Amino acid sequence: EAQVTQNPRYLITVTGKKLTVTCSQNMNHEYMSWYRQDPGLGLRQIYYSMNVEVTDKGDVPEGYKVSRKEKRNFPLILESPSPNQTSLYFCASSLDRGIIGELFFGEGSRLTVL
Amino acid sequence: GQQVMQIPQYQHVQEGEDFTTYCNSSTTLSNIQWYKQRPGGHPVFLIQLVKSGEVKKQKRLTFQFGEAKKNSSLHITATQTTDVGTYFCAGLAGGGADGLTFGKGTHLIIQP
Repeated sequence: EAQVTQNPRYLITVTGKKLTVTCSQNMNHEYMSWYRQDPGLGLRQIYYSMNVEVTDKGDVPEGYKVSRKEKRNFPLILESPSPNQTSLYFCASSLDRGIIGELFFGEGSRLTVL
Repeated sequence: GQQVMQIPQYQHVQEGEDFTTYCNSSTTLSNIQWYKQRPGGHPVFLIQLVKSGEVKKQKRLTFQFGEAKKNSSLHITATQTTDVGTYFCAGLAGGGADGLTFGKGTHLIIQP
């Protein structure tokens, strides 16, 4: 089954404790992206990757890191989480044949930073 | 950077009434996509519009892309309770180097 898998789905952590949210897709997609969703603010892009070893900042990259060592995986790293990073996070992927097409979203990861 | 404005933020309708959400971009778009997110769910792709003036229909849903490729709309005819959710537009500028920019979404609330 074609899917985007995120883990963990739910996480409560404390300020400053490094964490990683994993994202994996099994559709051989070139394009992957991370979004955060907050009430009243919609979906805001954190980072995206057009291909392996190619990553770019989105609209709200501060406090986040990403890596794209393999085509299927695109982990989101919070080196020192802060309460303002409490949010619902979505990973998404797309085939991207020259122009970004349909985005497939993961189920979401709800993160609470105390 | 690119901005995509979407209105209204909330829309309450009686079941059976029509619904429209509008999307406007500060820059010319290569394409625009529409997504639906059910309460507690994740965004799901509905459609992509690429051509200037394009109109596409999916059953009761009609999508339009403006002539200048800077605005778009989604119209639902005779809403049903299954239409409840948040509808997002997402615009892609230029060659896609900046990624997709999402509007803030329109929450559709349907009263039976």
